[in-house]
Amino acid sequence: GQQLNQSPQSMFIQEGEDVSMNCTSSSIFNTWLWYKQDPGEGPVLLIALYKAGELTSNGRLTAQFGITRKDSFLNISASIPSDVGIYFCAGHGYNNNDMRFGAGTRLTVKP
Amino acid sequence: KAGVTQTPRYLIKTRGQQVTLSCSPISGHRSVSWYQQTPGQGLQFLFEYFSETQRNKGNFPGRFSGRQFSNSRSEMNVSTLELGDSALYLCASSLGTGGREKLFFGSGTQLSVL
Repeated sequence: GQQLNQSPQSMFIQEGEDVSMNCTSSSIFNTWLWYKQDPGEGPVLLIALYKAGELTSNGRLTAQFGITRKDSFLNISASIPSDVGIYFCAGHGYNNNDMRFGAGTRLTVKP
Repeated sequence: KAGVTQTPRYLIKTRGQQVTLSCSPISGHRSVSWYQQTPGQGLQFLFEYFSETQRNKGNFPGRFSGRQFSNSRSEMNVSTLELGDSALYLCASSLGTGGREKLFFGSGTQLSVL
C-alpha cells in the first residue's frame, strides 16, 4: 500500500536544540509507532500510540496521535549526539494487512 | 530476554541463485513478519506468519516465500535472485497478530546480489 508522508526528510541541528517531525496519511489508523534506526541495524521501537489525541513520553521523546487519526508527530527535546539516526513512523490501519511506514527522517546532531 | 535474532547478518549471492534467511522471534512471541528495506523504496511489507500460517502478504512476486515452524522461528526464501533483490531484510516479532501489536525488529540480513 501507499507509504506514509513523513517530513522532514532530513534535519541538521545543533546539540541542545529541540526537534520535531511528523507523519501524515490519507487514511485513518488505529495505531501509530515511532522507531529509530542506526546504520546497519534494525529499527528500535521508541513510542507506541493507540488512541486519538494520546500524548506519550519516553524520556526526552514525546509523540502524539493526531485527533483526526491521520497523523502523528514526534518531538525530541534537548538533542544530544547519540540522537543521530533515522526516525521512522509506522501506522497500522483496521485491515490486518495495512501496516505502512514513513520514508524516515535522517537526524544529524552537531556537537 | 533475548531480542529478535536474524541470521546470517550478511550474504552475497549471484543472480539466479536462491537464498534462505532465518529469524528467531522474542521468546513467547507467536507472530513473525518480514520486511524488505531499500534506500529507494523504504520499508516494504513482505508477509506475516502466526501459528505456522501465513496471515498476510504484501505485494511481492512468488519468488519470495516464507514459513514458520512450531517453535515460532521463521525462514524466508528468495528464489531466482535478481539484482533488485539487494536489500536489508528485516524480521519483526510480536506477541500476537492484529492492528495494535508492537513490532520488535531484528538487526536484519544485508543481502547483496551480484
